Amino acid sequence: AQSVSQHNHHVILSEAASLELGCNYSYGGTVNLFWYVQYPGQHLQLLLKYFSGDPLVKGIKGFEAEFIKSKFSFNLRKPSVQWSDTAEYFCAVKSSNTGKLIFGQGTTLQVKP
Amino acid sequence: GAGVSQTPSNKVTEKGKYVELRCDPISGHTALYWYRQSLGQGPEFLIYFQGTGAADDSGLPNDRFFAVRPEGSVSTLKIQRTERGDSAVYLCASSFSPTGTDEQYFGPGTRLTVT
Repeated sequence: AQSVSQHNHHVILSEAASLELGCNYSYGGTVNLFWYVQYPGQHLQLLLKYFSGDPLVKGIKGFEAEFIKSKFSFNLRKPSVQWSDTAEYFCAVKSSNTGKLIFGQGTTLQVKP
Repeated sequence: GAGVSQTPSNKVTEKGKYVELRCDPISGHTALYWYRQSLGQGPEFLIYFQGTGAADDSGLPNDRFFAVRPEGSVSTLKIQRTERGDSAVYLCASSFSPTGTDEQYFGPGTRLTVT
């Protein structure tokens, strides 16, 4: 069965610090990978996605993620965080022939001004 | 344009009662998804529809849970004989297609509390 593991449950950073959130998945077939973000009081929204091609994908608000197939990983990065990045971040995976998204348990990011 | 809407935003019910949660997807989206999110957890897949038919209902926890989408647009998630463990935020999402590169757009959720 597919599963997603996010290693960091709660991360606290100061503004301008660099961010890396880990995500590992378990699935043997072709996968599509996603990072979603939920800002306080808002809906889940898509940060970025990987379907094929260049394993380094860029998303909104300066976020990027790298798909490393050999490590079953899809880590999220941002070189310099802002206070407005305070939110909950979810990694998700689905097989390419279905719509069923499997989410990790989420990482709460708190950025101190 | 309008996003995914869900009603009610909050629902408090007593143990044993029946509840219905409604989802209005983005116009033109043929795929519709239901997820459940408990406190401190990521969303958990329940069921998704392609058009009017349930393409995958493997996430429905038991036969107390049922969902319909009779005209291929609005969907209703129905929970019979509610239990306290059903308390969670129920999320709906929609997309043009369940496969391919289409993004799932999420609604604000319905917070269900079973007392």
